[in-house]
Order: sequence, then structure tokens, then C-alpha cells
Amino acid sequence: KQEVTQIPAALSVPEGENLVLNCSFTDSAIYNLQWFRQDPGKGLTSLLLIQSSQREQTSGRLNASLDKSSGRSTLYIAASQPGDSATYLCAVMDTGRRALTFGSGTRLQVQP
Amino acid sequence: DAGVIQSPRHEVTEMGQEVTLRCKPISGHNSLFWYRQTMMRGLELLIYFNNNVPIDDSGMPEDRFSAKMPNASFSTLKIQPSEPRDSAVYFCASSPVLAGVEQYFGPGTRLTVT
Repeated sequence: KQEVTQIPAALSVPEGENLVLNCSFTDSAIYNLQWFRQDPGKGLTSLLLIQSSQREQTSGRLNASLDKSSGRSTLYIAASQPGDSATYLCAVMDTGRRALTFGSGTRLQVQP
Repeated sequence: DAGVIQSPRHEVTEMGQEVTLRCKPISGHNSLFWYRQTMMRGLELLIYFNNNVPIDDSGMPEDRFSAKMPNASFSTLKIQPSEPRDSAVYFCASSPVLAGVEQYFGPGTRLTVT
């Protein structure tokens, strides 16, 4: 059974810092990996989707990488802003079961 | 596009009552997913449909839970009878096809069973 782990569970940084969020998964037979953002009391917003054949995806200040063989992904946020404060969730889709398995998330707070 | 629509946004009910949660996927999306989020267990898949057909319901916790998708634009998740441990946020998500593309989530229904 696929298991997804996110480290750290919580992170507080001053505005302007570059930061890295980590995600690991136990079964490398994945179809793709998706990073989401969740604001308190809200739904999930998709940030980046990486297919299993890709190494990275970029959107604005966000860059996500994927190392399928080692079961790891990182989300890099450049020049963090207070508006980036949210919980970031990593989710993988297995090749067999076409649904997402989520990590428990990293709660990020960017201090102004 | 209005995005995935869920109703109600909040539901408070007493133990033993029937609860029905509703979802309207994004128009043209062929796959629909129901997830549940709790503090203890995080986000978990309950069931998903492709072209209105249930594909995998292995995440449905008990027979008290049932889901239907009578047409491409509507799905329901029913809990009968409800119990306090069912209290959670229930999310519906949709995607154009079953795999390889992003899933789009609705705002969720916060269910409280007293």
C-alpha cells in the first residue's frame, strides 16, 4: 500500500526566504505526483503536476522536482511571501489504483 | 467555469440521521472522486467514478456509506445512519480523464454529527 510522508510538518520562515518542502513515497510505481495548497477552511488548489516521466515542473516562484527511483519529490518556493502561508500537500497517483494518496501536509507560515 | 460545486457547505446532524452530500463536477469531466479529511487520518479517498461507473470503492469505510452518480453532472454521498466519528470535511474532485491530469477539488462539506 502506498504511503506518502511530508517533512517538515510545520515551517515558519521570514519573508523573502527560499524554502524547500519534502515529500517521499514508498511505491515508485506512480503515474504522477501533484502538489496542492490548502488555505484554512478551504478546498485544495492544484499547484503543480509532474508526470512520472518528468523530472520537474515550474510555475512562477514554484518549482517541483521528482525522483521516482528514490521515491522523493521537493517543492521549492522562491522569495517567500506572507501570502504563501498555507498547508502544502503532496499526493501521488499509483499506476494501478487511479486515485490520489495524500501526505499529511506541511503547514507553512511566512512572517512579514 | 464555476468549478466543482458541493452542497451543503456545512451540515450539522444528530447521530442516527441520514446525511446526503451533493457534488456537481466540472462540465466535461469524466472522472469524479470523493475524499474525506480528518485531523487524525488526513485526506483519504472514499470512492471514484469514471463515466458515471464506480471503479473503486475500497475506501468506503462501512456499509453505512454509499455513493451514486446517476448522470455526468451529479453525484451523491450518503451516510445512513450517521455517527459522530463520521464528522469530517468531505471533498469532491473531478478530472477530465481518469489519470495523467490534474484533479480539481470542490470547497468541501463540513459535516458534524452530534
